[in-house]
Amino acid sequence: ILNVEQSPQSLHVQEGDSTNFTCSFPSSNFYALHWYRWETAKSPEALFVMTLNGDEKKKGRISATLNTKEGYSYLYIKGSQPEDSATYLCAFRADAGKSTFGDGTTLTVKP
Amino acid sequence: DTEVTQTPKHLVMGMTNKKSLKCEQHMGHRAMYWYKQKAKKPPELMFVYSYEKLSINESVPSRFSPECPNSSLLNLHLHALQPEDSALYLCASSQGFGGSSGNTIYFGEGSWLTVV
Repeated sequence: ILNVEQSPQSLHVQEGDSTNFTCSFPSSNFYALHWYRWETAKSPEALFVMTLNGDEKKKGRISATLNTKEGYSYLYIKGSQPEDSATYLCAFRADAGKSTFGDGTTLTVKP
Repeated sequence: DTEVTQTPKHLVMGMTNKKSLKCEQHMGHRAMYWYKQKAKKPPELMFVYSYEKLSINESVPSRFSPECPNSSLLNLHLHALQPEDSALYLCASSQGFGGSSGNTIYFGEGSWLTVV
């Protein structure tokens, strides 16, 4: 069983705050790490796929970094907006192609 | 078109019924997935089809029967389900399965299943 952990479980911030959260995963047999954004009543939306140690990806105000040697990825949101409120899921993919999801970090941005 | 389409969106069925969930994608993806999601939990993988062949069955009870008629379609046949099978069933697809590529998974909006 692969252990993929996300922290914190939930986060409440004010509009304009910058925030970050963590995904921890096994450091062996790494193939890819995916970040998804999941709004209530919608399907998960792919944000990033990261495959190389040291990868940094950016999409608007959201960015992510990857450290495969120590087994973690950070997701950063700069200047949070209410529309950023969602659950952010990471999924670790080892060999054989299966993705194991973390439990997610639920972000609430208050106006 | 980056869409995975699932039907029906909502399904209520009795424990003796036979029903099916359907999933379709036209992105040319060769891997398709069924996930089960219970409230406030991450998706749990059920089945993976790669090139229309079943690659992974995560020890899913036989009352769930997947079928991949062609590379664009994936069905989940349901028979003699239990109330605890009530959940959101998500279909997903990716360019491929396995190997060292990123293979982003694209999800459908899900089918809400209630077993009464």
